[in-house]
Amino acid sequence: DTEVTQTPKHLVMGMTNKKSLKCEQHMGHRAMYWYKQKAKKPPELMFVYSYEKLSINESVPSRFSPECPNSSLLNLHLHALQPEDSALYLCASSYVYGGSGSYEQYFGPGTRLTVT
Amino acid sequence: GENVEQHPSTLSVQEGDSAVIKCTYSDSASNYFPWYKQELGKRPQLIIDIRSNVGEKKDQRIAVTLNKTAKHFSLHITETQPEDSAVYFCAAQFGNEKLTFGTGTRLTIIP
Repeated sequence: DTEVTQTPKHLVMGMTNKKSLKCEQHMGHRAMYWYKQKAKKPPELMFVYSYEKLSINESVPSRFSPECPNSSLLNLHLHALQPEDSALYLCASSYVYGGSGSYEQYFGPGTRLTVT
Repeated sequence: GENVEQHPSTLSVQEGDSAVIKCTYSDSASNYFPWYKQELGKRPQLIIDIRSNVGEKKDQRIAVTLNKTAKHFSLHITETQPEDSAVYFCAAQFGNEKLTFGTGTRLTIIP
């Protein structure tokens, strides 16, 4: 299985709602990532988990709360979002950096989030 | 932190011609340079990558070149086809540090 899956595909939520995005991979990758992508822009890194521990937080607002319950799953909990948070949220996974260098990141199909 | 510049932002070429996209990076420690293709509404997909110990890599119609001294790398697509139309992103990374993307190139193949 060489695929990263994400649910849901689409999500519409109000500014007072609480929702979660889910990501799953079964490639044995121990690094997992959340990216945010606005239209016509490159993916923008939000969080990195390495061996189920948060290793990078790109100064993301606390209304976004990541969670990595095990080596195959990654969640992004959303609360009190703003309309400007509407975007495509991409999950990715890779092997953890080793002596031979960095590894390819495999992206999921994304969740299209609309905040109303 | 790393900064990656990508040019051009848009590129139109006749089917069958070649396309070249160029990127420069700022952090000399970066040692991994992937290229991603993203079709409209789809996920970014890796099409080719190169590491800093290699100067050139080729995979069928796609090739990437790296000039470490100039901190410059390029994507070359030959014999372009309509299905090559997409947005292409270059990126640079050191270890498990942030994968920094370029701003993207929208490539259109004219039949």
